[in-house]
Amino acid sequence: DAKTTQPPSMDCAEGRAANLPCNHSTISGNEYVYWYRQIHSQGPQYIIHGLKNNETNEMASLIITEDRKSSTLILPHATLRDTAVYYCIVRVVSGNFNKFYFGSGTKLNVKP
Amino acid sequence: DAGVTQSPTHLIKTRGQQVTLRCSPKSGHDTVSWYQQALGQGPQFIFQYYEEEERQRGNFPDRFSGHQFPNYSSELNVNALLLGDSALYLCASSSVGGWEGSYNEQFFGPGTRLTVL
Repeated sequence: DAKTTQPPSMDCAEGRAANLPCNHSTISGNEYVYWYRQIHSQGPQYIIHGLKNNETNEMASLIITEDRKSSTLILPHATLRDTAVYYCIVRVVSGNFNKFYFGSGTKLNVKP
Repeated sequence: DAGVTQSPTHLIKTRGQQVTLRCSPKSGHDTVSWYQQALGQGPQFIFQYYEEEERQRGNFPDRFSGHQFPNYSSELNVNALLLGDSALYLCASSSVGGWEGSYNEQFFGPGTRLTVL
């Protein structure tokens, strides 16, 4: 069922940009890409989402390739509190309802 | 404003038993989705409820069933528990999207940790 693939882990130095890649080569034209993160087995928290244009909010930037087969989440200045598992998700719409397909996640380790 | 709440926090059951998990959605939300997250894995979609009916279902057996109440809260029931049902069960609430392009963030609760012995 997985529609996304992510590297299992990445390291990043504190204060540097963290770039987390995701492949979603089977994504359809109306399916959004979402990113959530999960800290210490708490509930996942929303970060950002996009369809085909690059997006930016106060937390992160999302870069989606022109063919939409992959994307990159960018945390511009990683802090120790950004250490978490980051999930790349494809949102599949059926009528008025949405189903989220989570990948296996990338464990981001931010180091001092 | 309380977010999504779930109870209990932890639960220990034995094989063959039945369990009920509960979820109260975020204020203003009318749709509840349930996910199973095995250790070290991403959450897997179980099913989704809206207007007290199951609207979508993932690849889970009939042992997994649910219910939604008029106040939008929801229950997840699992019968004939197996060792493999041990997981973190997450509830997420949202509002019906209305159209394909609408923003539809799902707010997740803290989860219920189920251990089957």
